[in-house]
Amino acid sequence: DGGITQSPKYLFRKEGQNVTLSCEQNLNHDAMYWYRQDPGQGLRLIYYSQIVNDFQKGDIAEGYSVSREKKESFPLTVTSAQKNPTAFYLCASSKAPKTSGHYEQYFGPGTRLTVT
Amino acid sequence: KNEVEQSPQNLTAQEGEFITINCSYSVGISALHWLQQHPGGGIVSLFMLSSGKKKHGRLIATINIQEKHSSLHITASHPRDSAVYICAVSNTGNQFYFGTGTSLTVIP
Repeated sequence: DGGITQSPKYLFRKEGQNVTLSCEQNLNHDAMYWYRQDPGQGLRLIYYSQIVNDFQKGDIAEGYSVSREKKESFPLTVTSAQKNPTAFYLCASSKAPKTSGHYEQYFGPGTRLTVT
Repeated sequence: KNEVEQSPQNLTAQEGEFITINCSYSVGISALHWLQQHPGGGIVSLFMLSSGKKKHGRLIATINIQEKHSSLHITASHPRDSAVYICAVSNTGNQFYFGTGTSLTVIP
């Protein structure tokens, strides 16, 4: 079945450690996105990528880094510079955006990161 | 001010009731999306619409472009409809803006 996978579902880290969250899709989508969800807030965009080897900062990119070496994969690294890393992280993908079209985003199951 | 506002924030209904969740937005959009998030956290897309009305089973979504307003209706609600419903809008670059969600609980 086509879809998006994120691993792990739960992740615990000590403060000061970098941690990488995995996101893989087999939908043949060009665009991929990382969001952060906090209680009482809407999803906020961290980074997005519309094509391999290219990505753009979203609204809250500070303290995060990404890579897009393969179309299927868009891992997110939460660095020690991120001041409040504990959150629920969602990965999504869609067909490449075009000025004349709009597409649904397909979401992964999410990773809940707890940093103590 | 958020680009997307939803109401109510929380909603409790008896099984069988007709439910309405409202969404207003303040930016130019290409499409409006209704999403459902279950307690496990995964999000699924229910509707994507840019005009008029769409219906899937017991779910109906409407949009009024002039008033920048959309509603999600659930007819004959059931406990399995309990979830967080999120309104989002997308622009021509497929960038999304999300509401904070409406938490729905349907009691048997």
